[in-house]
Amino acid sequence: EPEVTQTPSHQVTQMGQEVILRCVPISNHLYFYWYRQILGQKVEFLVSFYNNEISEKSEIFDDQFSVERPDGSNFTLKIRSTKLEDSAMYFCASSDTASRTEAFFGQGTRLTVV
Amino acid sequence: AQKITQTQPGMFVQEKEAVTLDCTYDTSDQSYGLFWYKQPSSGEMIFLIYQGSYDEQNATEGRYSLNFQKARKSANLVISASQLGDSAMYFCAMRDDTGRRALTFGSGTRLQVQP
Repeated sequence: EPEVTQTPSHQVTQMGQEVILRCVPISNHLYFYWYRQILGQKVEFLVSFYNNEISEKSEIFDDQFSVERPDGSNFTLKIRSTKLEDSAMYFCASSDTASRTEAFFGQGTRLTVV
Repeated sequence: AQKITQTQPGMFVQEKEAVTLDCTYDTSDQSYGLFWYKQPSSGEMIFLIYQGSYDEQNATEGRYSLNFQKARKSANLVISASQLGDSAMYFCAMRDDTGRRALTFGSGTRLQVQP
């Protein structure tokens, strides 16, 4: 069964460092998303990506964040200068063109900023 | 703006019994989708069930059913014959089917199934 794959599963980084979280969406999906879940809180939308550009972003997704689809299969989230409050689980998701279908989530990357 | 409310931070249920997890939503959109996801302690998000706003029948997926009451803007998840493996966080979410594709999540309900 096709699945969304995220790497790494855990990442520990020093405050101020750049991190790149990687995702391989399901191959025939065209919509890609990043969500964030701070420990014990609800899942929050960060950004959606379609046709090689950002289609929507939340107020959380400020200039410290960027997304890219560098090679047609990977979908990355970069945080340029991490802050302590960026510590969270980051989920990548993808969905196909049909609106009446679910988004498939990856297993998440737990980011810890120290 | 869309909003999802889950008023039960935690629920207990005996194994083999049914349990209902509440979800109410608020939206001005006419066409939308409602989803339930399960998040076990391992952290992944597992899709359970989907209900479209124009679907006349309540969605069912195995032991999961969605009690959709459009006029009341509620989309409660019913789990029948609870199993120990059902212990997890459960999130209700919605998406506008006509434009914005991102999911808006509720705060979740932690379900614990007791033997």
